[in-house]
Amino acid sequence: SQTIHQWPATLVQPVGSPLSLECTVEGTSNPNLYWYRQAAGRGLQLLFYSVGIGQISSEVPQNLSASRPQDRQFILSSKKLLLSDSGFYLCAWTLGGSGSKYFGPGTRLTVL
Amino acid sequence: GDSVTQMEGPVTLSEEAFLTINCTYTATGYPSLFWYVQYPGEGLQLLLKATKADDKGSNKGFEATYRKETTSFHLEKGSVQVSDSAVYFCALSDKATGFQKLVFGTGTRLLVSP
Repeated sequence: SQTIHQWPATLVQPVGSPLSLECTVEGTSNPNLYWYRQAAGRGLQLLFYSVGIGQISSEVPQNLSASRPQDRQFILSSKKLLLSDSGFYLCAWTLGGSGSKYFGPGTRLTVL
Repeated sequence: GDSVTQMEGPVTLSEEAFLTINCTYTATGYPSLFWYVQYPGEGLQLLLKATKADDKGSNKGFEATYRKETTSFHLEKGSVQVSDSAVYFCALSDKATGFQKLVFGTGTRLLVSP
């Protein structure tokens, strides 16, 4: 069966510091991968998605970036965090255009 | 663009009460519709889905019917339990975007008391 991992589970970072969140998927090949953010009191916002290694689509221009160095690895990064980057970051995967997405456990980021 | 509107919460119910969480959508194409659930401190779990008009998705006692004529996908459960307390998200993905993008509603928090 497929599983999706995210780490760290929680993170507290100062404003201006860098960020690296990692997501890996096991038990499948060539998944589509997604990063979502859930800010306090708001819905989920799609940040990036990837249909293959090195292929990244950005949905919202901001100081975040994403990379996919391996088939089942998806990384969310920032060079300098802002207060507004605080939130709950969720990685998700799906196979092709099935529509049903499967989410990881999330990383709660607090920027102080 | 595509959008999903959910009833605002929190919805507060006693155990064994009937649950309805309303969801309506706007889409240019023929979307697939989903309900996701988020338990406290956790990620989202797919609860149920429907891919075409009049389809009924069901899981764990929850049901939702894809109503194209009213552009709705209301979530129902006949008898809620305390363990159903969570945030419920209605979502759609559209063939026009290759089903790449899930558009979510803002979520509805359900609180069930004993």
